[in-house]
Amino acid sequence: DIQMTQSPSSLSASVGDRVTITCRASQTISRYLNWYQQKPGKAPKLLIHAASSLQSGVPSRFSGSGSGTDFTLTISSLQPEDFATYYCQQSYSSAITFGQGTRLEIK
Amino acid sequence: EVQLVESGGGLIQPGGSLRLSCAASGFTVSSNYMSWVRQAPGKGLEWVSVIYSGDSTYYADSVKGRFTISRDNSKNTLYLQMNSLRAEDTAVYYCARYGYYADSSGNYFRWFDPWGQGTLVTVSS
Repeated sequence: DIQMTQSPSSLSASVGDRVTITCRASQTISRYLNWYQQKPGKAPKLLIHAASSLQSGVPSRFSGSGSGTDFTLTISSLQPEDFATYYCQQSYSSAITFGQGTRLEIK
Repeated sequence: EVQLVESGGGLIQPGGSLRLSCAASGFTVSSNYMSWVRQAPGKGLEWVSVIYSGDSTYYADSVKGRFTISRDNSKNTLYLQMNSLRAEDTAVYYCARYGYYADSSGNYFRWFDPWGQGTLVTVSS
């Protein structure tokens, strides 16, 4: 199976900060990479699909980039509602895998 | 409105069986790829199974041979039959549509959206 590794595992930041989360695949996955946001007690929410396409309704401060094995999720200016856990997920293989998650906390 | 609603979770003893249901509205289950994803308490997301529109099915190694994904087109509902349950199967189980976009080169990009609210399965004696 393709292993997805996110870094960092946790991150403290302040409102207004620019934040970048990295996701690395154990083999090349082209642009078959999605990002999700999950808040406590809630289902995950799709943010970015195909590495860099913003899902409808998601604020433009979220952006994704990358191809091959290395990907990033960037939040340009953190808002209070952005403090959550973020997951990457590859759809290259029929054996779907997620990263372990990055918990974004308020500093 | 596109919506998924799971049901069927609960407390079950190790070795027991349980069937989860996921009722869809606003779209047709039969013409979409559909999936189950679970999350153990305090842990990350783990993909469990997917069923393609052509009825092909795939499973995570951790559930292969014990879980079966299926759908009832007449009820527009997705199911997950879980047998030989273990303590490590304890989790919130989400169903999700595995939607797609095809680019101009014919590449199919897939993602999970929407998700249901989840149903908790607890395996314990």
